[in-house]
Amino acid sequence: EVQLVESGGGLVQPGGSLRLSCAASRFTFSIYWMHWVRQAPGKGLEWVANIQPDGGVQHYVDSVKGRFTISRDNAENSLYLQMNSLRAEDTAVYYCARDISATGGLNYWGQGTPVTVSS
Amino acid sequence: QSALTQPASVSGSPGQSITISCTGTSSDVGGYNYVSWYQQHPGKAPKLMIYNVNTRPSGVSNRFSGSKSGNTASLTISGLQAEDEADYYCKSFRHSSTLYYVFGTGTKVTVL
Repeated sequence: EVQLVESGGGLVQPGGSLRLSCAASRFTFSIYWMHWVRQAPGKGLEWVANIQPDGGVQHYVDSVKGRFTISRDNAENSLYLQMNSLRAEDTAVYYCARDISATGGLNYWGQGTPVTVSS
Repeated sequence: QSALTQPASVSGSPGQSITISCTGTSSDVGGYNYVSWYQQHPGKAPKLMIYNVNTRPSGVSNRFSGSKSGNTASLTISGLQAEDEADYYCKSFRHSSTLYYVFGTGTKVTVL
């Protein structure tokens, strides 16, 4: 069964940085688009970013552009989200997810890693 | 970047059918067949129920079906069951000044 395991979340002060990781296993990681999705406490889902299988193309929601960077290491079967200049409104559970068909259907999700931005 | 519009709540009795709407614009729902639907139970990760407007992933019950008309997509749950009680979100590809995805506001489904 496909596995996605996020790590790297935690408590960080406003303006600080965190790097989230997502370890993928039991599928050919290098051929799939991958996404990050977040969910603030008690709120709905928000799409954050995605990345092409070879890492060459990335897209971001406007609210994180210039602050977050999505990347991947296909040799290590890992997805990353570098988050800089963090704000209180970035507080959320962050999920990594695999795209079923490069059209946005996310058929496998990790368990999520919580990020809290607070002083 | 505004979210797609869904009703806050929908309810039905066991065995009934319900439909959840997801309204966007010609830049997202109306312009592309890249609408997906997710079910989320409290404290759990979302689960993909429908993608590409009307395609069910393997393992998803055929009681779930998707459709689209103009700028509005819909998820229909037939033969409503207690375990269908959850939050449901639509998601669409959007192409305005940039390319990205956007979720709906979410719908709480209650089985009476």
